[in-house]
Order: sequence, then C-alpha cells, then structure tokens
Amino acid sequence: GAVVSQHPSRVICKSGTSVKIECRSLDFQATTMFWYRQFPKQSLMLMATSNEGSKATYEQGVEKDKFLINHASLTLSTLTVTSAHPEDSSFYICSARDSGTVTYEQYFGPGTRLTVT
Amino acid sequence: KQEVTQIPAALSVPEGENLVLNCSFTDSAIYNLQWFRQDPGKGLTSLLLIQSSQREQTSGRLNASLDKSSGRSTLYIAASQPGDSATYLCAVRPGSSYKLIFGSGTRLLVRP
Repeated sequence: GAVVSQHPSRVICKSGTSVKIECRSLDFQATTMFWYRQFPKQSLMLMATSNEGSKATYEQGVEKDKFLINHASLTLSTLTVTSAHPEDSSFYICSARDSGTVTYEQYFGPGTRLTVT
Repeated sequence: KQEVTQIPAALSVPEGENLVLNCSFTDSAIYNLQWFRQDPGKGLTSLLLIQSSQREQTSGRLNASLDKSSGRSTLYIAASQPGDSATYLCAVRPGSSYKLIFGSGTRLLVRP
C-alpha cells in the first residue's frame, strides 16, 4: 500500500527557534499534500493544502508567515514552524493524495510531535 | 459549512461484543467518507472508504454503511477484541474539494 513518511517523529525546540518537518510519499506521486494539527484528545484540524509547484492554500485563522509550507517535488512537502512558541506544541500530521487513483484517497503519515520549551 | 459529529465520544465494552460507532454530517453533498483508526501518539490508518454512490463497505470484522441523504454513517465492529482499542475517526470529503473534514472521534476501549 501507499506509504507516507514524516521526519522527525519527535522534536523538542526552544522558544523562538524554527523547526522544519518533512512529509514524503514513498511509492507514489502526490501533487497535493495536506498538513493537519492535532491537540491532545482532539480531532485533526486542517492547516493548509500544499500544492506541488505553487503556493500553499491556508485555512482560515492559520498564519501563513508562521507556518511556511514548501512543496518542491511530487514526493516532498515541508512545514516550517517559524519562531516557535509553547502554544505551537502539538502533533502535526501530513497526508498525501495519490493523484494516480480514481478515488483520490489520502494516505497519512505517522505524525510529528513538536514540543516547544 | 460542513460539520462532522461522532457519537459516542468514548465507549468501553467487554471483549466479544459487537458495537456500532456513529458519524453524522450536516451537508449531504460529499464525494466520499472514510473511517480511520488512530492509536495513541500515532498517525492515522485508513479502515474503509465509501464513495458517495455506495451504501456500504466491508473489511474483515468491520462494516461501514453510508446514508448520504440523512447525513449518517455507521462503523460496525463485530466480535470486538482488546486490540481494537483505539480512537476511531470519520472524515468526509466535500464534493467540491480534496480536503477532508474530520469528526472529533470515538475513543474505544475493549476490556479483556
């Protein structure tokens, strides 16, 4: 089956620093990837849609200058949390849409736990 | 605006029971609906995907049904096992978008 990886799986950083999270589709091409955020015991909230070769589309209320998204190839999207603060601590999950299937099913990565101290 | 609700929020059952998880959505104009499983601290595993034209999908002990007109889906788990303990999320894909809109999930505990 289709596999999506994320790196790192866990990261701890100090307040004010920037952190980059990678999302890769390992065995399929993904023109579209999605970034979600999940707080403890809550559901996934879509942050932005990442489009290969073009600008990301952000959901209402998500600061585009704080959460920088780059989708430079058909298999890689990155999310950079700039000037991180403790309130940015969360579980970040990406998904990738297999553009080669009729169902356009999304496949999810294992998530990245970000802790800002 | 599409909203997805899951009931119950939490469920604890003894091993062997058959159980039903419920998902409802406010806008019937959906492309498909997916059920996912999430283990603590982990990503999502897709369980079943139902296209808007389908009524149900089955995989092993799992059966998901979809009634688009009433805005409801159910996930039926037969002969539950402790290994089924996890959070179950349903998500709908609005007809006009590739985005998924998630429900708040049902936390399931199957007691040995």
